[in-house]
Amino acid sequence: SQQGEEDPQALSIQEGENATMNCSYKTSINNLQWYRQNSGRGLVHLILIRSNEREKHSGRLRVTLDTSKKSSSLLITASRAADTASYFCATHSGSARQLTFGSGTQLTVLP
Amino acid sequence: NAGVTQTPKFQVLKTGQSMTLQCAQDMNHEYMSWYRQDPGMGLRLIHYSVGAGITDQGEVPNGYNVSRSTTEDFPLRLLSAAPSQTSVYFCASSFRGSQYFGPGTRLLVL
Repeated sequence: SQQGEEDPQALSIQEGENATMNCSYKTSINNLQWYRQNSGRGLVHLILIRSNEREKHSGRLRVTLDTSKKSSSLLITASRAADTASYFCATHSGSARQLTFGSGTQLTVLP
Repeated sequence: NAGVTQTPKFQVLKTGQSMTLQCAQDMNHEYMSWYRQDPGMGLRLIHYSVGAGITDQGEVPNGYNVSRSTTEDFPLRLLSAAPSQTSVYFCASSFRGSQYFGPGTRLLVL
C-alpha cells in the first residue's frame, strides 16, 4: 500500500509561474521527503522536512507540512523548463528506515 | 565518490531465467534498499538492509532474494524471472534519513 499520494497527477505551467504539488499520507511520520525524477533517470533527493517542522526552504523550493491534516506541499517558484520532471513525496514512519513513496506528480514547464 | 552504482543498465530475460542486479555504494552507508518502479505505481520497496549481514522484506519481496555480505554491496537476485517482474529497479542507500538512488536497471522479462 502507498503512504503518500500526490495531487495533481499531472501539472502543466508556463515558465516563470509557480508550481504547487500536494502530498497526503495516512499514518504518523518521522519525516517527509520530496524527490525529483527526470525522464529515464534515477531519483534525486530535494528536501526533507521533519515532523516537528512546518516549513522549509531550499533555493526556489518551499515545503510545508501540516501533520494535523497529514499533508505536505511542494512549491517551486519562478519555474524553469529544466524543472520539468516527476516529483515524488516519500514518508518515513516508525522505527524502520524505509521510505514509502507516492505515485508522483508529472510537472511540465513550457518555455 | 561514485555514489550508488547499478549494473546492468538494461537487461532482457526469458521467463524462468535467473539473474543478479548489482548495486554498490562507496559512501559507507549502513542502510540500503531495493525498489521497483512501475508506471503509475510510484516506487515500491522490495527488500532492505540495515547493515552487513542483516536483510528484511519490504512491500513486494516475492520472487526476489537479497544478501548483504559487505557494507558496499547489496545485490538483488531474481531466481526465476516472470513477466510480472518487468520493471525499472532502483537501489538506494540512506544517510540521516535521506536516500541516495542509483541510476536504475531496466528489466524486460519475455
